[in-house]
Amino acid sequence: DAKTTQPNSMESNEEEPVHLPCNHSTISGTDYIHWYRQLPSQGPEYVIHGLTSNVNNRMASLAIAEDRKSSTLILHRATLRDAAVYYCILRSGNQFYFGTGTSLTVIP
Amino acid sequence: GAVVSQHPSRVICKSGTSVKIECRSLDFQATTMFWYRQFPKQSLMLMATSNEGSKATYEQGVEKDKFLINHASLTLSTLTVTSAHPEDSSFYICSARSIGGSGNTIYFGEGSWLTVV
Repeated sequence: DAKTTQPNSMESNEEEPVHLPCNHSTISGTDYIHWYRQLPSQGPEYVIHGLTSNVNNRMASLAIAEDRKSSTLILHRATLRDAAVYYCILRSGNQFYFGTGTSLTVIP
Repeated sequence: GAVVSQHPSRVICKSGTSVKIECRSLDFQATTMFWYRQFPKQSLMLMATSNEGSKATYEQGVEKDKFLINHASLTLSTLTVTSAHPEDSSFYICSARSIGGSGNTIYFGEGSWLTVV
């Protein structure tokens, strides 16, 4: 199973942008990059996913390195409700394994 | 986004009994569903992958006779914890893969807390 590496924790001030990094140096050509976030005692919530090109949606942006060995989830203006554990996951077919994730703290 | 619902959200059972958790995809059909468990302050651990109409594929170290998974339809999968023990107490989460336009996305349920006393 492909692996991802994320910092254990990050902090951000409210209303500032947040860049959450993820390294996936063993990614294969068919692996999709997915991001989910999880609040305490809840199931993970889908944030965004991509393959090669950068992606934008109403929640966030996903910047994918040209060699695809890393990616960055961008929250344009962090709010207190964005405090959660963010998981970067590589998906190949039905292989979908979680790493340790990044715990994001948003400071008012 | 697509909706996946789990029931019950919380359950307490006595040691030695069995408990069933349901996972439903409410607005899409899911050929594949996944079951995870999560201990406090830890990440999700994949237990098994189930495909509609066939036997589930269990991850290494997960007892298939203890954690029975049934995926009888395109919208329902169940996890039955048999002969539950206190160490089975955990947060169980299901997810489902859409076969429609969002086929590359997997959606998660709200999770079910199991406490075995």
